[in-house]
Amino acid sequence: DVKVTQSSRYLVKRTGEKVFLECVQDMDHENMFWYRQDPGLGLRLIYFSYDVKMKEKGDIPEGYSVSREKKERFSLILESASTNQTSMYLCASSLWTSRETQYFGPGTRLLVL
Amino acid sequence: AQTVTQSQPEMSVQEAETVTLSCTYDTSESDYYLFWYKQPPSRQMILVIRQEAYKQQNATENRFSVNFQKAAKSFSLKISDSQLGDAAMYFCAYRSAPGRGGSQGNLIFGKGTKLSVKP
Repeated sequence: DVKVTQSSRYLVKRTGEKVFLECVQDMDHENMFWYRQDPGLGLRLIYFSYDVKMKEKGDIPEGYSVSREKKERFSLILESASTNQTSMYLCASSLWTSRETQYFGPGTRLLVL
Repeated sequence: AQTVTQSQPEMSVQEAETVTLSCTYDTSESDYYLFWYKQPPSRQMILVIRQEAYKQQNATENRFSVNFQKAAKSFSLKISDSQLGDAAMYFCAYRSAPGRGGSQGNLIFGKGTKLSVKP
């Protein structure tokens, strides 16, 4: 079974803090993704990576950055957290082809005060 | 750009009955993939069913089946013999075929349909 894990299920941070969300997958997948999920808006892609040290912006990259130093790990960084970044963050991974299913982690619910 | 629309924010079904969730999409591509994902409350999102656009036959997975109408750009999910465990958010998603759209397989999601199952 594919396993995608995220470092925290719940996180509370203060405005201006630097926040790291970590995602690890154990199936040697090339592609990794970070989504943000908000009620009534569905899932929106923040960033994705198709190889180590490679990254591309998704639909809403502003205020976020990512890091992929190892194939199995994809980190999302909020350089200076703001209240409008309070959300559920989902990580996913897949093999390189479009045909393949994306496997999701359990999500991190982030509250920025 | 491709878009995915789920016009039913919430649906309700009686246990053991059948329910159909709607999804339409907009694309100029001829080759692509469509997915239905299920997200139970406080649990991980999982794939329910997948359809390749080049296949005319509708995909089926046990109690879950789709009605794929390529010309109408419609991709509805039918759940037969609904069970309490089917209660969840359901997301329809679109993905370009390889080499299309400058992406490596990004999913474009609809806004979701919340399905309730009444005992």
